[in-house]
Amino acid sequence: DTGVSQNPRHKITKRGQNVTFRCDPISEHNRLYWYRQTLGQGPEFLTYFQNEAQLEKSRLLSDRFSAERPKGSFSTLEIQRTEQGDSAMYLCASSPPRTNTEAFFGQGTRLTVV
Amino acid sequence: GIQVEQSPPDLILQEGANSTLRCNFSDSVNNLQWFHQNPWGQLINLFYIPSGTKQNGRLSATTVATERYSLLYISSSQTTDSGVYFCAVDNDMRFGAGTRLTVKP
Repeated sequence: DTGVSQNPRHKITKRGQNVTFRCDPISEHNRLYWYRQTLGQGPEFLTYFQNEAQLEKSRLLSDRFSAERPKGSFSTLEIQRTEQGDSAMYLCASSPPRTNTEAFFGQGTRLTVV
Repeated sequence: GIQVEQSPPDLILQEGANSTLRCNFSDSVNNLQWFHQNPWGQLINLFYIPSGTKQNGRLSATTVATERYSLLYISSSQTTDSGVYFCAVDNDMRFGAGTRLTVKP
């Protein structure tokens, strides 16, 4: 297993377009997390899944952001009608099914909205 | 929701010095992790430590859950320790704002 994989690594899009990112967690990791990080800030929580169930999501996800994990494996994060303020690094992490264990991050998808 | 505060926000050290980074949290937590974000942006897990003390080489961490804080100790710092150190708490991993560490040769 090569770790948490995120695609694409970079995405440049025009304002108003929709974008979708993919995260493939480490095999058999049942928890999956999405974060957004802007320069100089800590990762901002977006949502997390346990298997296919979305257990918690920030207020941000009630607007133009949505996430899915349909079969409890990979996950997608979609941003509709992108704005320049959406430019950021989008990070995914996964952790194994044992209770309370460490999480592992992917390398992120850097989004630039022009 | 739970609030996470880290201090200091910035720290500059000479190579070989020791340092202590602090993470305070506003409520009891089931999970606390320390991460290092390297200059290339990759987040690396250092410790899973909801309570007690752990050591890994030059790094160690202590969490006093009853007093709602955790400490990360870095001894004999090296330039490769530079980056941002984050703590993240609870099952949904809420992050603090981080401590930016710069180790000078």
